[in-house]
Amino acid sequence: DTAVSQTPKYLVTQMGNDKSIKCEQNLGHDTMYWYKQDSKKFLKIMFSYNNKELIINETVPNRFSPKSPDKAHLNLHINSLELGDSAVYFCASSQRGAEKLFFGSGTQLSVL
Amino acid sequence: DQQVKQNSPSLSVQEGRISILNCDYTNSMFDYFLWYKKYPAEGPTFLISISSIKDKNEDGRFTVFLNKSAKHLSLHIVPSQPGDSAVYFCVLVYGGATNKLIFGTGTLLAVQP
Repeated sequence: DTAVSQTPKYLVTQMGNDKSIKCEQNLGHDTMYWYKQDSKKFLKIMFSYNNKELIINETVPNRFSPKSPDKAHLNLHINSLELGDSAVYFCASSQRGAEKLFFGSGTQLSVL
Repeated sequence: DQQVKQNSPSLSVQEGRISILNCDYTNSMFDYFLWYKKYPAEGPTFLISISSIKDKNEDGRFTVFLNKSAKHLSLHIVPSQPGDSAVYFCVLVYGGATNKLIFGTGTLLAVQP
């Protein structure tokens, strides 16, 4: 039973399209995150939500909009996809304030 | 500006020997350091942590050492096993309850049978 699951695992799309990545956690955690791993393998925080409230919003283009319908879900919607958006996106969750994060297996996004 | 540096992109070790993975950092304002392990096509998984007030933490075959004066930490795995082959990320945690993590670029460890 997967603790943090994200779908789809692979996403190939054209420039200019709008796409969403879904994430769900069944660990009962309060906090969820989106991380991006770029071509240089850097893993960087994008957003963090605690109980559906945005608490971290790093310098991310407005085309990226996270949505948290409840504390078990944090979806990532991306408008007007660009080539530079190609990366692996990881969802994660933790108890509030806990340093230990549980990651999903990633979504590889390829923008053509 | 890269605040967490893992200068060795890869490391190869014989099974049964010690693996030492190194990490240097520039930000002295941190709460914890973590090590995460990542297999291909999977997300990173938590391995071991050390708080800013400690200089050593041990968990089974894994020991992390923190040298604050040198701004350096290392992960020791002994004895190394083939199943330890993975990418290891050094991670700095700061920001208290906001829990901000800064990842290093990772070191690919290959343990040869």
